[in-house]
Amino acid sequence: DAGITQSPRHKVTETGTPVTLRCHQTENHRYMYWYRQDPGHGLRLIHYSYGVKDTDKGEVSDGYSVSRSKTEDFLLTLESATSSQTSVYFCAISDGTSYETQYFGPGTRLLVL
Amino acid sequence: AQSVTQLGSHVSVSEGALVLLRCNYSSSVPPYLFWYVQYPNQGLQLLLKYTSAATLVKGINGFEAEFKKSETSFHLTKPSAHMSDAAEYFCAVSDRGLRRFGAGTRLTVKP
Repeated sequence: DAGITQSPRHKVTETGTPVTLRCHQTENHRYMYWYRQDPGHGLRLIHYSYGVKDTDKGEVSDGYSVSRSKTEDFLLTLESATSSQTSVYFCAISDGTSYETQYFGPGTRLLVL
Repeated sequence: AQSVTQLGSHVSVSEGALVLLRCNYSSSVPPYLFWYVQYPNQGLQLLLKYTSAATLVKGINGFEAEFKKSETSFHLTKPSAHMSDAAEYFCAVSDRGLRRFGAGTRLTVKP
């Protein structure tokens, strides 16, 4: 298995509080991604990174920000959590884009009350 | 934008029966297509991918998929279902280097 860890694995928080999720890789892959998974929607891309300090938005980026200060770490921040952000969040990594395999972390289950 | 549509959110088969999970794509250029599997409480794992080298793609765990341009389809099959195949399956397409996923199909295998 690709060396990807996510923390925390589970989190319960209240509306309006900030939340940061961490993705850590030991594979030295250039690309890192944050997805959210919701029933009936599959996985949707929130943000991605193509290098240290290089990030871009995905299709559902509103309400989220990211940072990547080191190759191995990619942080996802919910500045002020809302109930609509209750979801399962997955981090993924890859060496390239078009057809290279993306490897997924185990996920973080977030509940916003 | 490129996209995929998975037909059937739930599929149920008996153990030993053929598994057929349907995926149709929409793309203005030759696509790169993927099938992933997700077991409960786990991340996604790549089953197979189509990169235009061959229209019939073999993957892990006995799965295969055939790219049919005329039908814009990339259906996933397995000749004989096993109880361990019960999971959720996602079709995806590469859209300008990024993945777009279908809504998923949950496969149930009955003994």
